[in-house]
Amino acid sequence: EVQLVESGGGLVQPGGSLRLSCAASGFTFSSHWMHWVRQAPGKGLVWVSHISGDGGTITYADFVKGRFTISRDNAKNTLYLQMSSLRAEDTAVYFCARGIGSGWFDPWGQGTLVTVSS
Amino acid sequence: DIVMTQSPDSLAVSLGERATINCKSSQSLLYNNKNFLAWYQQKPGQPPKLLISWASTRESGVPDRFTGSGSGTDFTLTISSLQAEDVAVYYCQQYYSTPQTFGQGTKVEIK
Repeated sequence: EVQLVESGGGLVQPGGSLRLSCAASGFTFSSHWMHWVRQAPGKGLVWVSHISGDGGTITYADFVKGRFTISRDNAKNTLYLQMSSLRAEDTAVYFCARGIGSGWFDPWGQGTLVTVSS
Repeated sequence: DIVMTQSPDSLAVSLGERATINCKSSQSLLYNNKNFLAWYQQKPGQPPKLLISWASTRESGVPDRFTGSGSGTDFTLTISSLQAEDVAVYYCQQYYSTPQTFGQGTKVEIK
C-alpha cells in the first residue's frame, strides 16, 4: 500500500524554524517527484514546492522562496521541508504528496499542522 | 501563474440528484490533445483524494457517478446521482505549468 506520513509540525514563534518530514512507503520513492501543498485553516489548497526524483530539480512558490528548503533522502525514503523565518500567514496543514505523470498528486499524506504564533 | 476559478462556491443538492461543478482556467490547459487538469475530493479532516486526471480520466475505484468533462479553459465535474458520502469540498487543479494551481474549492452539501 502506498503511504505517506508527515511529522514535525507544531507551534512555533514568528521568525522561528521548523523541519517537516514525510516518510514514504509502498512505492519506489526515488522514481517520483514529490510535493508539499499547504492548507490554511478553513481555506483552499496551495502548492508550496516540489523536488524531482533525483533531487536535481527544485521549485518553490514565490511566497516561500528564500525561507523554505525542500530536500529528500532516497536512501531513507523521506521528504523534508525546512522552514525558517516563519510568519503567521504560514500557519497551515502541510501535506506531502506524490507526483504522478505530468503533475497531479496521488496520494496525499494526512498532513501536519504548523501554527506560527507568539 | 494560471488562475483557476470554480463556481459555485457551494451548492446543496438532494440525494439522488445531479451536482455540477464548474472550473475555469485563465489560459488554455490543452496541449497535444490532452487537458492538464485534475479533480480532487476532500472530506472534513481528511487529505484530498484524486478523482480524475487529464480532465476526464477517472481513477481506479472512483464511482462512475463522477464524470469530468471540458476542454481548453472550461471544465466540469458532474456527480450524476448524489450520495450521502459525496458530501465534501471539490477542487480542480491545473498541472499545465508550474506553479500548479488549484481552484478555491466547491462545497457540496445535501439539501
